[in-house]
Amino acid sequence: GENVEQHPSTLSVQEGDSAVIKCTYSDSASNYFPWYKQELGKRPQLIIDIRSNVGEKKDQRIAVTLNKTAKHFSLHITETQPEDSAVYFCAASIAGNYGQNFVFGPGTRLSVLP
Amino acid sequence: GAGVSQSPSNKVTEKGKDVELRCDPISGHTALYWYRQSLGQGLEFLIYFQGNSAPDKSGLPSDRFSAERTGGSVSTLTIQRTQQEDSAVYLCASSLGRGYEQFFGPGTRLTVL
Repeated sequence: GENVEQHPSTLSVQEGDSAVIKCTYSDSASNYFPWYKQELGKRPQLIIDIRSNVGEKKDQRIAVTLNKTAKHFSLHITETQPEDSAVYFCAASIAGNYGQNFVFGPGTRLSVLP
Repeated sequence: GAGVSQSPSNKVTEKGKDVELRCDPISGHTALYWYRQSLGQGLEFLIYFQGNSAPDKSGLPSDRFSAERTGGSVSTLTIQRTQQEDSAVYLCASSLGRGYEQFFGPGTRLTVL
């Protein structure tokens, strides 16, 4: 079955710097890769996603890149701000018509230091 | 429109008691998921519903856990004979179907004393 690894588990950056979180997946049939942000005490919310037919997607300060050959995808946050501090989860879709939708990575706790 | 709602928001119970957690998905969402999140941990998948059927129950940790969904809408997660290790936040999510964005509810924080 699908396995998703995520690194680093914790990341501290200075405000204004960039942050990069990387995920690897095992099932080459996975074709949808969402990223969720979970602020302390809040529910996870989708911030960006990418499908396997594109290599990069950008939305203002966040971007996601996908390397299908290497089976890894990354979240890039530029010009980080204190409100970016949260736990970020990557996920990879599970192929087939049955069973649950995604496998989530273990999460990365990002701290943006003022 | 209304998002995913869950009730209760907090539940404190004594070890050995049964609890029932409720999830109201977004109207029209056919897929519904339950997850468990222990403090500071990731999202542990429990069960997935497509309509009223549960094609994937592989994440349920023991036979004390069960879930049902009626009318293709509301779902309840039942934990029987609760144990202290069941303490966690239980999150529900719904989506239009497989392969679509999942929208999460606010969760139910369960504390077993």
